[in-house]
Amino acid sequence: SQTIHQWPATLVQPVGSPLSLECTVEGTSNPNLYWYRQAAGRGLQLLFYSVGIGQISSEVPQNLSASRPQDRQFILSSKKLLLSDSGFYLCAWRSQLAGEGEQFFGPGTRLTVL
Amino acid sequence: AQKITQTQPGMFVQEKEAVTLDCTYDTSDPSYGLFWYKQPSSGEMIFLIYQGSYDQQNATEGRYSLNFQKARKSANLVISASQLGDSAMYFCAMREGPRRNNNDMRFGAGTRLTVKP
Repeated sequence: SQTIHQWPATLVQPVGSPLSLECTVEGTSNPNLYWYRQAAGRGLQLLFYSVGIGQISSEVPQNLSASRPQDRQFILSSKKLLLSDSGFYLCAWRSQLAGEGEQFFGPGTRLTVL
Repeated sequence: AQKITQTQPGMFVQEKEAVTLDCTYDTSDPSYGLFWYKQPSSGEMIFLIYQGSYDQQNATEGRYSLNFQKARKSANLVISASQLGDSAMYFCAMREGPRRNNNDMRFGAGTRLTVKP
């Protein structure tokens, strides 16, 4: 069965510090991968998605970036965090071959920028 | 423009009763998919149910059913026999285009459901 991992689970960082959040998927090959951000009490905002290694599509211009160095690894980064980067970050995957497009989510990372 | 609209920020339901969570959507694509997710306080997003635009029947999954009214562009989630564990945020989402599309899913703002004992 497929599983998706995210770490760290929680993170407190000062403004201006760098960021690296990691997401890995097990049990599937060539998944589509997604990064979402959820502000407190709000819906999900798509940040990036990837259909393959090295292929990144950005939905919202910001100081964040994403990379996909391996098939089942998706990394969200920032060189300098802003206060507005605080939120709950969710990674998700979907199969390119099976299902109806439903996405499966990781446990999330709660980021607080002080 | 907002693609997915959930007009109920919060809903209350008595345990063991049924509840309907509203969702309307906007698309000009004849092929699309509609999804409901549950987000408990732990934060994880749990996939509940799917409805395809060409499906003739309403989707059902256990106590969850989707009241799909294509002409009205609505895809309401019905939870029967509510349980205390159903208390959570519920999100409606839409994928535009056929399933092979690699692009994203659009989410509504969510409805917070509270089940009262």
